[in-house]
Amino acid sequence: AQKITQTQPGMFVQEKEAVTLDCTYDTSDQSYGLFWYKQPSSGEMIFLIYQGSYDEQNATEGRYSLNFQKARKSANLVISASQLGDSAMYFCAMREGWGFGNEKLTFGTGTRLTIIP
Amino acid sequence: IAGITQAPTSQILAAGRRMTLRCTQDMRHNAMYWYRQDLGLGLRLIHYSNTAGTTGKGEVPDGYSVSRANTDDFPLTLASAVPSQTSVYFCASSESGTTNEQYFGPGTRLTVT
Repeated sequence: AQKITQTQPGMFVQEKEAVTLDCTYDTSDQSYGLFWYKQPSSGEMIFLIYQGSYDEQNATEGRYSLNFQKARKSANLVISASQLGDSAMYFCAMREGWGFGNEKLTFGTGTRLTIIP
Repeated sequence: IAGITQAPTSQILAAGRRMTLRCTQDMRHNAMYWYRQDLGLGLRLIHYSNTAGTTGKGEVPDGYSVSRANTDDFPLTLASAVPSQTSVYFCASSESGTTNEQYFGPGTRLTVT
């Protein structure tokens, strides 16, 4: 079974609208972390946001928020007021376990987001 | 501060040739990683190192080897390249035992012909 599933290969969103990128995960660990990365056309990987499995509140970073629903094993990324510069590939990733030696990430296949002017 | 540097930026390599991709970080992170990125497959972990002197296998280690002689450097070697190793290779690093994110290098685009 896939550990990280991103079911939206591509999305088109009008500029200034909010957008939700879906991510579901599969793990039997109680302690884990969820990450979102952005990859623009230039190719670099940019960290956006992190959510720990024990965090009670949803993570937020500026226009990015993570809608964490633990029981459903979902960690959707919400981008508010989308901008043309948000056009990129977005990857969800998971770290299973905690502490030294447990920093490896498993990535989803990504969602390509295109913002339409 | 450069962060993570990778070399070369891109390379075309004949099948059967040996190739080493270089990765250097200046953040004194304990943990380092090599991923390959292929269209439709996301990033997959090849090898990792939790600290200097130790390495481990990731999801797709076959055909690759790594070494970690010191904290800063983590080279990836393809002993005898095959066309299926055509990919974009990313090196990354992170602090051990924290919730910190992994920092990525700019990537190396490798084409094996």
